[in-house]
Amino acid sequence: SQKIEQNSEALNIQEGKTATLTCNYTNYSPAYLQWYRQDPGRGPVFLLLIRENEKEKRKERLKVTFDTTLKQSLFHITASQPADSATYLCALDSRTGGFKTIFGAGTRLFVKA
Amino acid sequence: DADVTQTPRNRITKTGKRIMLECSQTKGHDRMYWYRQDPGLGLRLIYYSFDVKDINKGEISDGYSVSRQAQAKFSLSLESAIPNQTALYFCATSDSDQPQHFGDGTRLSIL
Repeated sequence: SQKIEQNSEALNIQEGKTATLTCNYTNYSPAYLQWYRQDPGRGPVFLLLIRENEKEKRKERLKVTFDTTLKQSLFHITASQPADSATYLCALDSRTGGFKTIFGAGTRLFVKA
Repeated sequence: DADVTQTPRNRITKTGKRIMLECSQTKGHDRMYWYRQDPGLGLRLIYYSFDVKDINKGEISDGYSVSRQAQAKFSLSLESAIPNQTALYFCATSDSDQPQHFGDGTRLSIL
């Protein structure tokens, strides 16, 4: 069955370090992959989108990689800050069989000062 | 003002009641979506609409219905609420294949 997996355990890191979050998927051929940030009591907010023919995308302190062979995306936050503490969701979009966006359950990130 | 507004933000009700959750947007997007979020399960798609005359079932549409009253309005109804529909509900919008914009959710509790 199709599955998208993010580490369910929270990630705790020290301020200034690089946070790396993982998104793995199976039985899926995504046209593109997105990362969202969600704060408690709020809706997800879009951060970055990477297409199947792109290996890497950057935006300020954020970097996303997409390896369709490994079926994995990595999301990096460099020089992390306490304000980066949130839950990060990955989402896959496929055009196979019609519209379909699948969201992962998210990984909670805590950045300590 | 928020681009995607959901009402109510919180609702507690009893089993068997009919409930309507409303969503309105000022982004001018054609596509609108309803999701529910449960701990550990991520967002699951209930219904989506690509324009006013288009309604499609998502992954978990049983027990729910929707109405797209206008380009800017998309409501979700629970005809006869049951406790396992207790969840956080999100409305989202998008422009064609672009990323989705979410409201801040409705926390629904069914006793």
